[in-house]
Amino acid sequence: SQKIEQNSEALNIQEGKTATLTCNYTNYSPAYLQWYRQDPGRGPVFLLLIRENEKEKRKERLKVTFDTTLKQSLFHITASQPADSATYLCALDAAGGSYIPTFGRGTSLIVHP
Amino acid sequence: DGGITQSPKYLFRKEGQNVTLSCEQNLNHDAMYWYRQDPGQGLRLIYYSQIVNDFQKGDIAEGYSVSREKKESFPLTVTSAQKNPTAFYLCASSYGQGISNQPQHFGDGTRLSIL
Repeated sequence: SQKIEQNSEALNIQEGKTATLTCNYTNYSPAYLQWYRQDPGRGPVFLLLIRENEKEKRKERLKVTFDTTLKQSLFHITASQPADSATYLCALDAAGGSYIPTFGRGTSLIVHP
Repeated sequence: DGGITQSPKYLFRKEGQNVTLSCEQNLNHDAMYWYRQDPGQGLRLIYYSQIVNDFQKGDIAEGYSVSREKKESFPLTVTSAQKNPTAFYLCASSYGQGISNQPQHFGDGTRLSIL
């Protein structure tokens, strides 16, 4: 069956370091992959989308990579700040016309001052 | 500012009672969705609608019902048949109707609890 895996353990890092979050998937051939940020008690907020034919996408301090051979996406936040502390969700959409993304469970990021 | 508004933020349900969660958007999006989020779990799709007066079941539709009489509104009713309704409910919208890779815009959720 199709599966999206994100590390269930929280990632703790020191302010100023680069945070790297992982999204692995199996039995999928996604056309694209999205990353969202979710704060406690709030709805997810869209951050970045990367297509299957793109290796890397950047937006300010954010960088996403997409390796369809490894079936993995990495989400990087450089120069992390305590305000970056949140849960980060990846979402995949299967190729073939479906436009409804399937979400992973998310990984909590805690940036310590 | 355009966005999605969910209400109420907190809702309590008594045994045997139906409750309705409101979702309104002014983004002019065709597609709307309802998700359920439980602690430590991903978002699970309950129902979605691509266009007014049409909707489809998602992965966990049992015990829920929806309507889509207006483009802006997609209310979700949690019926008494839903035996484990305690969860965080999220409504989302996007450009739909066959347009892929569009991000979803979410409301800030309704937290439903059982009295």
